[in-house]
Amino acid sequence: GAGVSQTPSNKVTEKGKYVELRCDPISGHTALYWYRQSLGQGPEFLIYFQGTGAADDSGLPNDRFFAVRPEGSVSTLKIQRTERGDSAVYLCASSLFSGLPDTQYFGPGTRLTVL
Amino acid sequence: GNSVTQMEGPVTLSEEAFLTINCTYTATGYPSLFWYVQYPGEGLQLLLKATKADDKGSNKGFEATYRKETTSFHLEKGSVQVSDSAVYFCALQGVDDAGGTSYGKLTFGQGTILTVHP
Repeated sequence: GAGVSQTPSNKVTEKGKYVELRCDPISGHTALYWYRQSLGQGPEFLIYFQGTGAADDSGLPNDRFFAVRPEGSVSTLKIQRTERGDSAVYLCASSLFSGLPDTQYFGPGTRLTVL
Repeated sequence: GNSVTQMEGPVTLSEEAFLTINCTYTATGYPSLFWYVQYPGEGLQLLLKATKADDKGSNKGFEATYRKETTSFHLEKGSVQVSDSAVYFCALQGVDDAGGTSYGKLTFGQGTILTVHP
């Protein structure tokens, strides 16, 4: 079956602009996760959803970052007033349910470059 | 807070060599432990996992044993192949910084690049 998909695969924007990154999870997966991966580093947790609600948003770095999942499927990560330090690969993952031990399936990522 | 430390890379081996990638963790409580792999041009995928002390995870010839006494989860393979060339990430899940249960969030190490030559 189809895996986790993310669009766009690459996004180049200018400092100060607004961007939206989209994640389409595996069908039927109720949990959805966003991570950010800087060059040479491991993924860093941002937020996760169980259904439509954000169960843990402790990893969002500041109030410029916001994510939604209005119908419990597709999620959008929104970044306002982008800064050069936001440049990274943004990864999305989904899992069948939020419980231990629960395998997370990752998408290919969106590479964001802020000029 | 919780953290995962992996051995410095990159690691370069010849085909059929023995592989060890060290991973240690710091956590309050008893997390689940994972190894994820990222092949060139592909997304992260789960390689193996262990959920309690002394459990051994294994897959594709790779093994790792959850050692509570040394807070380690070292990855091993007896004979690597060129196709094993990838970036390997150790990760933990299941406990928050206060030692309570925390579902969902994975905490990753910085990754180890493995290159295997024919």
